Amino acid sequence: DTGVSQDPRHKITKRGQNVTFRCDPISEHNRLYWYRQTLGQGPEFLTYFQNEAQLEKSRLLSDRFSAERPKGSFSTLEIQRTEQGDSAMYLCASSFSSPRTDTQYFGPGTRLTVL
Amino acid sequence: AQTVTQSQPEMSVQEAETVTLSCTYDTSESDYYLFWYKQPPSRQMILVIRQEAYKQQNATENRFSVNFQKAAKSFSLKISDSQLGDAAMYFCAYKPIGGADGLTFGKGTHLIIQP
Repeated sequence: DTGVSQDPRHKITKRGQNVTFRCDPISEHNRLYWYRQTLGQGPEFLTYFQNEAQLEKSRLLSDRFSAERPKGSFSTLEIQRTEQGDSAMYLCASSFSSPRTDTQYFGPGTRLTVL
Repeated sequence: AQTVTQSQPEMSVQEAETVTLSCTYDTSESDYYLFWYKQPPSRQMILVIRQEAYKQQNATENRFSVNFQKAAKSFSLKISDSQLGDAAMYFCAYKPIGGADGLTFGKGTHLIIQP
């Protein structure tokens, strides 16, 4: 299966701890997106990369959130000093961007529970 | 800012019948993409169908078709011959062409298939 993969699938942590999630995009895709989805809502865009460049990060929820995509391959999303309000599903998506197409394919998500 | 509105929190249809899910959006852009994604319970987001705003012809994928009304900013999804496997949350999403932005999603419609 060459779809988008995310690890871990579930993470339980205590308030104040740091957590890091990993996303591996579809191999030929040059764009990678992170979203957050809370219960009963549609996904909310957080940030995205084109290759290794982070082109939009103003939508990250606070300065406790950061993302990297070293070498333009996999990406990590880190949340520092987690809060109970950070409990959500974190989704990664990738796409191959060309002038007339930018269809995003999603991974299974990482479900974060902050106790 | 772009917004996407799905006015039907829940819809129910008999197996083998046809159902239409509504979506409206607000944007000042003239060129953009629209998508319908399906999210089965505890499973990942799957692309159902996409539409480019510059195309007047409505997109079709097997039993799924859209009614795209650009002037009205409306993008409804029709599912024909509904099957039990169609039961899921359906999200309408918007993305401008170009620019540094992710998808903007509606809140979703929960589709129930009655056997």
